Amino acid sequence: EVQLVQSGAEVKKPGESLKISCKGSGYSFTSYWIGWVRQMPGKGLEWMGIIYPGDSDTRYSPSFQGQVTISADKSISTAYLQWSSLKASDTAMYYCARQGKAVAVDYWGQGTLVTVSS
Amino acid sequence: QTVVTQEPSLTVSPGGTVTLTCASSTGAVTSGYYPNWFQQKPGQAPRALIYSTSNKHSWTPARFSGSLLGGKAALTLSGVQPEDEAEYYCLLYYGGAQRVFGTGTKVTVL
Repeated sequence: EVQLVQSGAEVKKPGESLKISCKGSGYSFTSYWIGWVRQMPGKGLEWMGIIYPGDSDTRYSPSFQGQVTISADKSISTAYLQWSSLKASDTAMYYCARQGKAVAVDYWGQGTLVTVSS
Repeated sequence: QTVVTQEPSLTVSPGGTVTLTCASSTGAVTSGYYPNWFQQKPGQAPRALIYSTSNKHSWTPARFSGSLLGGKAALTLSGVQPEDEAEYYCLLYYGGAQRVFGTGTKVTVL
């Protein structure tokens, strides 16, 4: 069974750093892209970027370039999304999702809620 | 900035049919945009329904179908069930890193 399991909810202060994770299981982790999606409170979905764990090829949507870092450790089948200095506007639910051939986005993680507040 | 536009809301009766559309600010949507469709219910992660315009995942109910219609991607729900009440999002691929979600359509079953 394919599963993407994300790390738990986080509460942080502005200026702090954070790294959240997405662990894949039930499939060949290095053969599929993993994307990250933001959903701000009460708003729609936004595509942030994507990584191919097989060779760490990483691509960012223009709105998120320079704002976050996406990485992966294929030895433990885990992708990451990190911030070096959080802002209140980073408060959102973050999802990881698997993408296969023909740009098919199929499996999703359960989401990680990030709250940034002083 | 590329914008992908969907109907904000649609209402359908149980057993009825409704079509949602997904338009790109760059022009006509073609199969080369590999349209995906997702369903999201309150408090839940999105669930994938359709990929590459019209292909269903193994779990996608038969009443959901995808197509291209008048230069837009389209999702049709036939024989709507009460449990289909949800927000629906399309996702278009513009090459490289760029994928853009639609603005979302809230479907009410009434």
